[in-house]
Amino acid sequence: EAGVAQSPRYKIIEKRQSVAFWCNPISGHATLYWYQQILGQGPKLLIQFQNNGVVDDSQLPKDRFSAERLKGVDSTLKIQPAKLEDSAVYLCASSFGRSYEQYFGPGTRLTVT
Amino acid sequence: AQSVSQHNHHVILSEAASLELGCNYSYGGTVNLFWYVQYPGQHLQLLLKYFSGDPLVKGIKGFEAEFIKSKFSFNLRKPSVQWSDTAEYFCAVTADSNYQLIWGAGTKLIIKP
Repeated sequence: EAGVAQSPRYKIIEKRQSVAFWCNPISGHATLYWYQQILGQGPKLLIQFQNNGVVDDSQLPKDRFSAERLKGVDSTLKIQPAKLEDSAVYLCASSFGRSYEQYFGPGTRLTVT
Repeated sequence: AQSVSQHNHHVILSEAASLELGCNYSYGGTVNLFWYVQYPGQHLQLLLKYFSGDPLVKGIKGFEAEFIKSKFSFNLRKPSVQWSDTAEYFCAVTADSNYQLIWGAGTKLIIKP
């Protein structure tokens, strides 16, 4: 079974620029998650989708972050404009449902200079 | 607010030593418990999980964890570690109220050959 795919793997941008990340979940997984993992910390949930609807985006900085999951499959996460403190690894995960184990992609390491 | 604490941020052991990594959570209701592992250069993957039943769960690569409800703990154990166990280990918990996965800060385990 193919895993969760993410791209790009690495991205370096200057502050105030914009950036987008893409995620393709495991086929058949209804729930998709975006996490931010800052060095030395555990992942922090940014947004959770159930099919193409948002279940939880309480920790998403909505003034600069946005995410969508059109057609309930692929998802994109955008940051506009980026700040230095956005430097982190952005993880995408998917699961069969909300109470099931999550499968993670390789992540995108973002460096904002 | 729910939280997960991992007692040690860094652990260094020699091969064949026994391992126990602590994990405590704060939530009084029903929980699902997970240990994830991230090997160097790889993505997060599930090591083991507890949903219900026998509180002693066995995972991959000889790892096991014991759920002690009275202590709000889910400690990870392995009787004899190998150099290949060098990785970062994360404890995570979902509560039955919202299924959001709450993560510990992680423990970096280094096994000396």
